[in-house]
Amino acid sequence: DQQVKQNSPSLSVQEGRISILNCDYTNSMFDYFLWYKKYPAEGPTFLISISSIKDKNEDGRFTVFLNKSAKHLSLHIVPSQPGDSAVYFCAASADTDKLIFGTGTRLQVFP
Amino acid sequence: SQTIHQWPATLVQPVGSPLSLECTVEGTSNPNLYWYRQAAGRGLQLLFYSVGIGQISSEVPQNLSASRPQDRQFILSSKKLLLSDSGFYLCAWSVLGGTDTQYFGPGTRLTVL
Repeated sequence: DQQVKQNSPSLSVQEGRISILNCDYTNSMFDYFLWYKKYPAEGPTFLISISSIKDKNEDGRFTVFLNKSAKHLSLHIVPSQPGDSAVYFCAASADTDKLIFGTGTRLQVFP
Repeated sequence: SQTIHQWPATLVQPVGSPLSLECTVEGTSNPNLYWYRQAAGRGLQLLFYSVGIGQISSEVPQNLSASRPQDRQFILSSKKLLLSDSGFYLCAWSVLGGTDTQYFGPGTRLTVL
């Protein structure tokens, strides 16, 4: 049972435009959500997180939106840059010290 | 600042050989420690996690085991590797009782032939 789902395996966006990566979850007990960025042959890098008591968190070009009623979160990257090309994982936690990861979305930003 | 180390970076092993991957964390005490595997084309699968020395929880029954002999050392082992053990192994840490944000090491690429 995949509790965290990233239904788009890949996304292609032009440089300067907005990238929107989506993530859906099924467990209503999740109360903390994160996004990680991963380059090939490297460990994931933490990008941004959001607690379930908020619906938006912003850090520079990155904004995470949480819609609890829809059990959906998204990561917006504005403006997209070629260096943003990577695999993005969303993850969720239910206060158990464990994260449940999605399967990832490969973002490609082209000139 | 905290840093996490993994070695080796890459490893090629024959089927049936033993395995030992090591992970150490610096700059923090009493961390939660985790082992993940990323198989080709798949997400991150949690293999083991530990909340303290000698305390190991296994998430997936498999050919692997983990040990935590010291507070900031986490070891992933196997007595006999299988072809299906090939993958990218990642160690991560988080603050005990913190926000659950995990920080990952650089990973080990294991190829079993």
